[in-house]
Amino acid sequence: EAGVAQSPRYKIIEKRQSVAFWCNPISGHATLYWYQQILGQGPKLLIQFQNNGVVDDSQLPKDRFSAERLKGVDSTLKIQPAKLEDSAVYLCASSLNGETEAFFGQGTRLTVV
Amino acid sequence: QQQVKQSPQSLIVQKGGIPIINCAYENTAFDYFPWYQQFPGKGPALLIAIRPDVSEKKEGRFTISFNKSAKQFSLHIMDSQPGDSATYFCAAKVNQAGTALIFGKGTTLSVSS
Repeated sequence: EAGVAQSPRYKIIEKRQSVAFWCNPISGHATLYWYQQILGQGPKLLIQFQNNGVVDDSQLPKDRFSAERLKGVDSTLKIQPAKLEDSAVYLCASSLNGETEAFFGQGTRLTVV
Repeated sequence: QQQVKQSPQSLIVQKGGIPIINCAYENTAFDYFPWYQQFPGKGPALLIAIRPDVSEKKEGRFTISFNKSAKQFSLHIMDSQPGDSATYFCAAKVNQAGTALIFGKGTTLSVSS
């Protein structure tokens, strides 16, 4: 079974630029999560999807972050414009239905300079 | 009330030692408590999980102890090996669709040979 795929693995951008991350969850998984992991901290939920609908985006900085999951499969997370404090690893995870184990991708390491 | 407090921040043990990592929570609605292991450059991977109807769960060298009245749970690693050197995260969740894992800040474990 293929795992959660994320790309790119690494990205370096200047502040005020925009960036997008892509996630392909495990086939058949209805629930998709985006987490932000700042160095030395645990992952923090940004947004949760159930199929193509948003379940929880209460911690997403909506003035600069956006996410979509068209057709209930792949998802993209965008930051525009980026700030220095957005430097972190962005993890995508998926779960069969939100009640079972969440599987994580390898993450995208973003550095904003 | 949504926090999960984890300690210690870092831990160094010798090969064969038994490192213990502790977590505490406040939200009594949490009913799923997993531990994740994360190696550098990788996403977190589920190690072992427990539900509050049992006080202990063992899987190989890993044991979770759960104290519902104290709202605490801990991870014990028996006969620790250098390959166990990683960052460990406890997490908690209300196990129903529409909720997401809340992570502790992590414990960096180093097992010396």
